[in-house]
Amino acid sequence: GAGVSQSPRYKVAKRGQDVALRCDPISGHVSLFWYQQALGQGPEFLTYFQNEAQLDKSGLPSDRFFAERPEGSVSTLKIQRTQQEDSAVYLCASSLDLGADGYTFGSGTRLTVV
Amino acid sequence: QKEVEQNSGPLSVPEGAIASLNCTYSDRGSQSFFWYRQYSGKSPELIMSIYSNGDKEDGRFTAQLNKASQYVSLLIRDSQPSDSATYLCAVGDNTNAGKSTFGDGTTLTVKP
Repeated sequence: GAGVSQSPRYKVAKRGQDVALRCDPISGHVSLFWYQQALGQGPEFLTYFQNEAQLDKSGLPSDRFFAERPEGSVSTLKIQRTQQEDSAVYLCASSLDLGADGYTFGSGTRLTVV
Repeated sequence: QKEVEQNSGPLSVPEGAIASLNCTYSDRGSQSFFWYRQYSGKSPELIMSIYSNGDKEDGRFTAQLNKASQYVSLLIRDSQPSDSATYLCAVGDNTNAGKSTFGDGTTLTVKP
């Protein structure tokens, strides 16, 4: 595709509900990154894939957060038993190589937990 | 203390002036540095990358890097109202170059 596509664009979840956020990277991009951006703050690293391998998940806040990229293309970030503190914009980025030259971000998914 | 520090602003400059945005970082081994622009309600957009000490120019934008002082800056010449946005400084991880640590951004307003 022409850019990084994320869906849904907005998600409202009741506390305790599970959610799944989708990222479709630019075709051919090897690396895929998930970041979390709270209001008024910079993006915070969550996890990183190179093809289908999850090479770094050190930023995932708790074991309620899980990410996968089973075929090395589309990725899904799943949050179980959502809490109010999970409310944020979830940004996906992809890169042709390892991401050492910066990223192309998707438009993000704004998650609001009520 | 955050690993990447920026003045939150807001920074206000008149149209046509030079806007100067600053960033300091704590990891002395960092090798890659980026500036992203983020319009309100939008996602960050990469505008500059710099890897070596000195200046790097791209159109109206100049990135400056001083590794000894752990300091990176972005200059915007002939500022336009369309430059009004939040500018995020990002520093590549020393051991995983693809992973970046972001500052909280500086909000720039260019007044006509």
